[in-house]
Amino acid sequence: AQTVTQSQPEMSVQEAETVTLSCTYDTSENNYYLFWYKQPPSRQMILVIRQEAYKQQNATENRFSVNFQKAAKSFSLKISDSQLGDTAMYFCAFMKQTGANNLFFGTGTRLTVIP
Amino acid sequence: DTAVSQTPKYLVTQMGNDKSIKCEQNLGHDTMYWYKQDSKKFLKIMFSYNNKELIINETVPNRFSPKSPDKAHLNLHINSLELGDSAVYFCASSLGQQSNEKLFFGSGTQLSVL
Repeated sequence: AQTVTQSQPEMSVQEAETVTLSCTYDTSENNYYLFWYKQPPSRQMILVIRQEAYKQQNATENRFSVNFQKAAKSFSLKISDSQLGDTAMYFCAFMKQTGANNLFFGTGTRLTVIP
Repeated sequence: DTAVSQTPKYLVTQMGNDKSIKCEQNLGHDTMYWYKQDSKKFLKIMFSYNNKELIINETVPNRFSPKSPDKAHLNLHINSLELGDSAVYFCASSLGQQSNEKLFFGSGTQLSVL
């Protein structure tokens, strides 16, 4: 079974600063995908960034980047130059490469960007 | 244009009632999903359909019955609603079943059972 753990229920960061959200996961799979989703107060689930486990290079999307440590089963999200619009719940998620397309989510981290 | 749309956005009902949530996607995707987000914000898959065929059926009470009249629609019918069914239900779709494909989520339906 796959489990995803987010150990920080809440985080805050000053506007324009950098914040890192933690995520660890447990799996016996060798190939899989990892995701960070953002859920603002509007409830919409928005894909922030995706990482393929077979790629050593960390994924980057503008101000968002990940630190993927496969051996440690760690997948943290770094948000640079934080903006007020980054205030949201952030969910780490795991998906196996084979089999049914099922996203396993962590319990989320509530991020507040302080003006 | 909304890619994945769910109706209604809010649903308040009495215990014991039967209700349906509708979902439609206009992306031409083959695969659709229902996820449940509980009061602690934990998201978990309930069902997945690919081309109208049930693919994933997690441990969900049989009071929950998904129906896919065509591959653009996946509705969720809930019989004999219970207090514990209160949650936000998300519909999602993807191009196919390949795990490298992005899921597109609807904006959720907040169900409150009184």
